[in-house]
Amino acid sequence: EVQLVESGGGLVQPGGSLRLSCAASGFTFRGDWMHWVRQAPGKGLVWVSRVNVDGSIKGYADSVKGRFTISRDNAKNTLYLQMNSLRVEDTAVYYCARERYYHNSGSEAFDIWGRGAMVTVS
Amino acid sequence: QSVLTQPPSVSGAPGQRVTISCAGSRSNIGAGYDVHWYQQLPGTAPKLLIYTNINRPSGVPDRFSGSKSGTSASLAITGLQAEDEADYYCQSYDNSLSGWVFGGGTELTVL
Repeated sequence: EVQLVESGGGLVQPGGSLRLSCAASGFTFRGDWMHWVRQAPGKGLVWVSRVNVDGSIKGYADSVKGRFTISRDNAKNTLYLQMNSLRVEDTAVYYCARERYYHNSGSEAFDIWGRGAMVTVS
Repeated sequence: QSVLTQPPSVSGAPGQRVTISCAGSRSNIGAGYDVHWYQQLPGTAPKLLIYTNINRPSGVPDRFSGSKSGTSASLAITGLQAEDEADYYCQSYDNSLSGWVFGGGTELTVL
């Protein structure tokens, strides 16, 4: 079964740090670009970060740039999000998602999602 | 304020047809980037519903369809069922932000 399982969420004070993990199974993790997407309570989805297959190319939303770091360990089939200098507005459910690239059109969608990890900054 | 604009809510009776709009701009949908749609049932993770504007992943009923024109896109749901009650999100890429963007989400209520 194709699956993504996040862990590492919790309650942290403003200015603190937290590291999320996302364990992948049921597909060839090392062959896929991966993303983090977050959703504040009662709000919509917001893209956070993206990493390529070997971790050498990373992208971030402006709201987290310089504070969050995405990484991956292909030997462990695990995606990470290191979150530093956390703010109250970072409170959200954080989802990891697999990128599906459509060659015909050159676009990307998120075809597999984890259940999410709740991060509360208070 | 989301980059892509959706109506906050729509509703319809069982069996009816509803549409959800997704308005973008020249830096995302209008630039030619595809639109994808997600369904988020209460308390669950989003699920890919429509990809590359019009295509359905395996297992998605053909009651769901997508379209795109100019700087906007739409999701149509025909033959509404109670199980369709969910939040729906459109998603594209924005070249001015160099990132992936979502609509604010539309809550569908089946009356």
